[in-house]
Amino acid sequence: SAVISQKPSRDICQRGTSLTIQCQVDSQVTMMFWYRQQPGQSLTLIATANQGSEATYESGFVIDKFPISRPNLTFSTLTVSNMSPEDSSIYLCSVEAGFSGNTIYFGEGSWLTVV
Amino acid sequence: DAKTTQPPSMDCAEGRAANLPCNHSTISGNEYVYWYRQIHSQGPQYIIHGLKNNETNEMASLIITEDRKSSTLILPHATLRDTAVYYCIVRVVGGTGNQFYFGTGTSLTVIP
Repeated sequence: SAVISQKPSRDICQRGTSLTIQCQVDSQVTMMFWYRQQPGQSLTLIATANQGSEATYESGFVIDKFPISRPNLTFSTLTVSNMSPEDSSIYLCSVEAGFSGNTIYFGEGSWLTVV
Repeated sequence: DAKTTQPPSMDCAEGRAANLPCNHSTISGNEYVYWYRQIHSQGPQYIIHGLKNNETNEMASLIITEDRKSSTLILPHATLRDTAVYYCIVRVVGGTGNQFYFGTGTSLTVIP
């Protein structure tokens, strides 16, 4: 397994501002994923972040709104830009690990409330 | 996109086995079946996965039908701490671009 730490764990943000979420892993991993979970909903994949390449975004998510960095094999950031109340969600970082990279593990999430 | 169908909610008596079904009728030959659960306010937790054989670990058992079109996650002795949303996911292992897409899951409530 992998131990994943996210910062901040919780924040209240003003409309129109941007916030960067950090994800730190205790081991080197190739693939990292960012998910969003809106209140009462399931998880939605935002993008896949591989070290050394541009993030790949899912339909409905764009780089201008959710820029992602992946500077090394243990760290990634997700920025939520120009926030609106609709961006109030849990943002979750996950990594592919395990034997043959067959499992993903999640951090505890970052709870963002936009007011 | 999610390729699985699960009942939205289930109840189970504490101490009894919880049997959570999942339909994945369009599963491909190289796709595995994964189960995760999410306890309120926490990140999803890996439970178990399998390809075609039944699997068991310290948390649960996974029973996959012979045609692989459905599976059942079994929690042998449910406790109150097993109350969570359980997600069944199918996914190709290996290579790149093989993401985990979550469906709506089953909300399991363990009743005292």
